[in-house]
Amino acid sequence: AQRVTQPEKLLSVFKGAPVELKCNYSYSGSPELFWYVQYSRQRLQLLLRHISRESIKGFTADLNKGETSFHLKKPFAQEEDSAMYYCALRSDDKIIFGKGTRLHILP
Amino acid sequence: SQTIHQWPATLVQPVGSPLSLECTVEGTSNPNLYWYRQAAGRGLQLLFYSVGIGQISSEVPQNLSASRPQDRQFILSSKKLLLSDSGFYLCAWSWLGEKLFFGSGTQLSVL
Repeated sequence: AQRVTQPEKLLSVFKGAPVELKCNYSYSGSPELFWYVQYSRQRLQLLLRHISRESIKGFTADLNKGETSFHLKKPFAQEEDSAMYYCALRSDDKIIFGKGTRLHILP
Repeated sequence: SQTIHQWPATLVQPVGSPLSLECTVEGTSNPNLYWYRQAAGRGLQLLFYSVGIGQISSEVPQNLSASRPQDRQFILSSKKLLLSDSGFYLCAWSWLGEKLFFGSGTQLSVL
């Protein structure tokens, strides 16, 4: 069965420090993975997807099939990064999410 | 441009009452449509998704149902609400299962 695991409910990081939000998945096929973000009082929105291999707002995520992981990273946290982050996996037309991690950037 | 509308924004219903939440998409044709429930500590739970009119896939057994009477309309229903149905319901659309675009959500409180 497909599954997305985000082990941390809350992650507090000082401004300027590196950020890593963990995501592990369980999927028998070739996965397509995403990170979504929800800022305060805004709609949930796509941050990045692994097939694009892009950096958005300084965030990157690399798919590691050996470790079945898709961790989200940023070298230097900014206060505006405080938000709820969800990892998602697409299986054909079905898209499932992890439980989310709240990132809190400390001043 | 494409937009997604979801209503109502908030709803308070007694236990045992019916439910109907509506979601419509504008500016695109034949979108994939999704209903999710967002609950604290449980993340985003996929409830239903649809790839076409009348085609509904159910992910979680429960007393909710979904229907897609028109190409860009997705309805979440219940005949009799339970306390456990309380939560934040999100509608979303995508093109061929790609990037999801979310509605603003409905906060449902069952009392």
